[in-house]
Amino acid sequence: QVQLVQSGAEVKKPGAAVKVSCKTSGYTFTGYYIHWVRQAPGQGLEWMGWINPNGGATNYAQKFQGRVTMTRDTSIGTAYIEMRSLRFNDTAVYYCARMDLIFTFPIWGQGTMVTVSS
Amino acid sequence: QSALTQPPSASGSPGQSVTISCTGARSDVGRYDYVSWYQQHPGEAPKLIIYEVLKRPSGVPDRFSGSKSGNTASLTVSGLQAEDEADYYCSSYTSSNVWVFGTGTKVTVL
Repeated sequence: QVQLVQSGAEVKKPGAAVKVSCKTSGYTFTGYYIHWVRQAPGQGLEWMGWINPNGGATNYAQKFQGRVTMTRDTSIGTAYIEMRSLRFNDTAVYYCARMDLIFTFPIWGQGTMVTVSS
Repeated sequence: QSALTQPPSASGSPGQSVTISCTGARSDVGRYDYVSWYQQHPGEAPKLIIYEVLKRPSGVPDRFSGSKSGNTASLTVSGLQAEDEADYYCSSYTSSNVWVFGTGTKVTVL
């Protein structure tokens, strides 16, 4: 079955960088965009951007441009998000989600908790 | 891109109906039928319950229905059940080729 399995929780200091992975299985990795969404504690969902695994094109929410990079490794069916210059308010659960042809997200990873703490 | 506007909370007794609104702009909800709704229980990832304004994925009960008028989409949960108590989020594709989520609505079953 289709699965997105994310890497484990991270604790980082302010100013550091973090890289979260999203390993896919059960489908052709290059056939579907991967989106990243985050959710701060007690807050709502926030869309961050997408990557097209077929070619690597990306599009980021304006808020994250310059601080976030999305990449992929097609040989192992894995997408990544790297966030730099972490701030306390970047503390959140980060989700990857597969976008289907009808511009929606039926498949989600389990989420990765990133805590920024001094 | 500003978040879509949802009421913070909604509630109803078992068996009743509750409707949640999702207000956007002409550049997102008003322009495209790519409006989706997600249900999220505490500690879990969101679950897709409505896509393309009113379509339900396989396995989602027909108690969940969606609609749209102008810049506002709506989700109705009919015949409320205890397990429907959750947070609900709308989302929309936008003219900037980005996506936007709603502010979220906490549904309480009284």
